[in-house]
Amino acid sequence: QSALTQPASVSGSPGQSITISCTGTSSDVGGNNYVSWYQLHPGKAPKLLIYDVSYRPSGISSRFSGSKYGSTASLAISGLQAEDEGDYYCSSYTSTSTLVFGTGTKVTVL
Amino acid sequence: QVQLQESGPGLVKSSETLSLTCAVSGGSVSSGTYFWNWVRQPPGEGLEWIGYISYSGSTNYNPSLKSRVTISVDTSKNQFFLKVTSVTAADTAVYYCARAPRYSYGSGGSYLPDHWGQGTLVTVSS
Repeated sequence: QSALTQPASVSGSPGQSITISCTGTSSDVGGNNYVSWYQLHPGKAPKLLIYDVSYRPSGISSRFSGSKYGSTASLAISGLQAEDEGDYYCSSYTSTSTLVFGTGTKVTVL
Repeated sequence: QVQLQESGPGLVKSSETLSLTCAVSGGSVSSGTYFWNWVRQPPGEGLEWIGYISYSGSTNYNPSLKSRVTISVDTSKNQFFLKVTSVTAADTAVYYCARAPRYSYGSGGSYLPDHWGQGTLVTVSS
């Protein structure tokens, strides 16, 4: 199974909005609504930001939102803050009952 | 609140077997509601799903690792385990254990991890 495709890096100024894409196939992202997004910071447990394409777990800021069109899912971050710097990964359940992750995106707050 | 904690040797010799333990607290590995996963991240690279085990003991593995990986569970200790045989430098990574719900609920979606451990670095030496 191939990793989902994400941009290597995305940057924005404080207060701006950015979007991270996650492109898969009809066997993963395009084939179901089981897509999650995670934020990674060194030395810390990965944090779930979005599940089932567009749902936020309790405690996650409304500045984070998710969507999907066809085989491409997207994570939007509005009102960018310094604490949003980090690595972001999408993940999808697949048609063979496995999981696949994206290639990862480094977010920089300018 | 469930917590997961990985443990095991930080250094493994090439061609030997890597063995890790994930201790679960605040929840039960015998719950029929969850899958128990292992995920790794080589230095400077992305996340790679290794596999999962269900409450019933059924497993599913990444096809690229399937021949070398075994995931098992000990319900009496509330732990689950990872073994990777015949390791090489390419197996050097931070290894995470993670819980994934079988069904979507208020704070997590089906099949994909909702809670993770902090990870443990395993280095394979020659």
